[in-house]
Amino acid sequence: EAQVTQNPRYLITVTGKKLTVTCSQNMNHEYMSWYRQDPGLGLRQIYYSMNVEVTDKGDVPEGYKVSRKEKRNFPLILESPSPNQTSLYFCASSRAGGANVLTFGAGSRLTVL
Amino acid sequence: AQTVTQSQPEMSVQEAETVTLSCTYDTSESDYYLFWYKQPPSRQMILVIRQEAYKQQNATENRFSVNFQKAAKSFSLKISDSQLGDAAMYFCAYWGGTSYGKLTFGQGTILTVHP
Repeated sequence: EAQVTQNPRYLITVTGKKLTVTCSQNMNHEYMSWYRQDPGLGLRQIYYSMNVEVTDKGDVPEGYKVSRKEKRNFPLILESPSPNQTSLYFCASSRAGGANVLTFGAGSRLTVL
Repeated sequence: AQTVTQSQPEMSVQEAETVTLSCTYDTSESDYYLFWYKQPPSRQMILVIRQEAYKQQNATENRFSVNFQKAAKSFSLKISDSQLGDAAMYFCAYWGGTSYGKLTFGQGTILTVHP
């Protein structure tokens, strides 16, 4: 089944404890992206990647890091999480850029205490 | 920077009736794409419809259609014969040519369908 898999789906952590949210797709998509969803703000793009070793900032990159060492994986790293990073996170992928239809992961609910 | 605005935080409709969700955007691009995504309570994001800006014809997918007004920078979604399964959060999204890779979403509209 073609899909984007995110883990963990739910996580409660404490301020400053590094964490990684993994994202993997099995569709050989070039483009991958991370979003956070907050009430009243919709989805905001954190980082995106056009292909392996090519990443760029979205609208809200502060406090996050990403890497794209393999085509299928695009992990989101929070080096020192803070409470304002409590959010619902989505990973998505597509064949080539946002003009194509995105396939989204199921979302990761992150709470930082 | 491009912005997308959904001015209706919540909308409601009776089953079998028609409802229109509004979306406006701001851009200086001439070539871009617009999308409507649906997010049901399961949180899964599902594409509803896509519109290419250079196409004059409004996109249609079964009961879902758009009214794309390029000059007015307006992109509304019309849902006909509303069904209980249409209840969800709906997001309008913009992808612009020179901002390759950046996808901008609106704030979302929660649609309630009454039986």
